[in-house]
Amino acid sequence: GAVVSQHPSRVICKSGTSVKIECRSLDFQATTMFWYRQFPKQSLMLMATSNEGSKATYEQGVEKDKFLINHASLTLSTLTVTSAHPEDSSFYICSARVGAGVNEKLFFGSGTQLSVL
Amino acid sequence: RKEVEQDPGPFNVPEGATVAFNCTYSNSASQSFFWYRQDCRKEPKLLMSVYSSGNEDGRFTAQLNRASQYISLLIRDSKLSDSATYLCVVNNPGGYNKLIFGAGTRLAVHP
Repeated sequence: GAVVSQHPSRVICKSGTSVKIECRSLDFQATTMFWYRQFPKQSLMLMATSNEGSKATYEQGVEKDKFLINHASLTLSTLTVTSAHPEDSSFYICSARVGAGVNEKLFFGSGTQLSVL
Repeated sequence: RKEVEQDPGPFNVPEGATVAFNCTYSNSASQSFFWYRQDCRKEPKLLMSVYSSGNEDGRFTAQLNRASQYISLLIRDSKLSDSATYLCVVNNPGGYNKLIFGAGTRLAVHP
């Protein structure tokens, strides 16, 4: 299957710093990538949909100025958490969509555990 | 009402047991349905797509009831390695056709 590489896998940072998370599709071109956040024992919550060459579409309640998404190429999407605070500590994960309809599949990165001190 | 609802569990079952998970979804226009498996602090992995006619993959059987907006997953002959969280996933056909994840049902299989 398709491979999505996400790094770093774990980040510990001080409050107020910015953190960039990268998500790469290794053997295919990903026109659309999704960014999710997951708090412990909760569901994956879609933060934004990232489309190559255009602005990301953010879900309601997600601050676009705080969570900057860049999808400058068909193989790379980045999420930058700006001025991170302890409440931003979470598991962030990207995915790339391949196919459509009943043949649609999501391939996930391995996730980034962010801990803000 | 949540877009995708699941019983959080946990379901604690012995090896060899048969266990069933249910899921309901709110958007009647949804067309794609999936079951994903997620191990702790790992990425979700596709277990199987769910087709209208129902489908089976080894010990796993998925069913879809569009009238009741209900999806199920049946696991037969449970293995210790089946212990994980099972996520019900449904597409929201508006806009970018995004997938909506349920909060998951935890399964713990014990010897």
